[in-house]
Amino acid sequence: SAVISQKPSRDICQRGTSLTIQCQVDSQVTMMFWYRQQPGQSLTLIATANQGSEATYESGFVIDKFPISRPNLTFSTLTVSNMSPEDSSIYLCSVPDATSGNTIYFGEGSWLTVV
Amino acid sequence: QKEVEQNSGPLSVPEGAIASLNCTYSDRGSQSFFWYRQYSGKSPELIMSIYSNGDKEDGRFTAQLNKASQYVSLLIRDSQPSDSATYLCAVRFYNQGGKLIFGQGTELSVKP
Repeated sequence: SAVISQKPSRDICQRGTSLTIQCQVDSQVTMMFWYRQQPGQSLTLIATANQGSEATYESGFVIDKFPISRPNLTFSTLTVSNMSPEDSSIYLCSVPDATSGNTIYFGEGSWLTVV
Repeated sequence: QKEVEQNSGPLSVPEGAIASLNCTYSDRGSQSFFWYRQYSGKSPELIMSIYSNGDKEDGRFTAQLNKASQYVSLLIRDSQPSDSATYLCAVRFYNQGGKLIFGQGTELSVKP
């Protein structure tokens, strides 16, 4: 498995501001995935972040709103820009198992409330 | 058609019964299938993975995969109140960059 640390774990943000979420992994991984879970909903993939290349965004998500950095094989950030109440969600970082590459593990999540 | 679909809940079973959770997926090329459990206020926790047709058992949990029917299920035997959670089916799409796509989740309630 992997140990995945996310910061912040929880925050209350003002409308119109931006917040950067950090994800630190205890092993080197090629892929990192960022998900959003809106209240009462399942997980939706925002983007896949590979080290050394631009993130690949899913339909409905754009780089201007959710810029992602991936400076090395153990770290990534997701910024939620110009936040509105609709961005109130759990944001989750996830990575494949470093050994098998099949199983995907999740961090504890960052719980954002936009007021 | 959604890529991963689960039967809608909530599902309520009495303590000690078998809970059956079902999931279908759209891509015949998918190779890896997962069940996650999510308690309220927590992040998803992996409980089962299955890669080959047939059954895979782990304690009270059995995952079943039928690739021909594009169907994966999770059975929970001797259900306990502590099993009450949302169960998320997820499929790894290797022909789409290896991304993991989730179904909408099934809320399970085990009544004492």
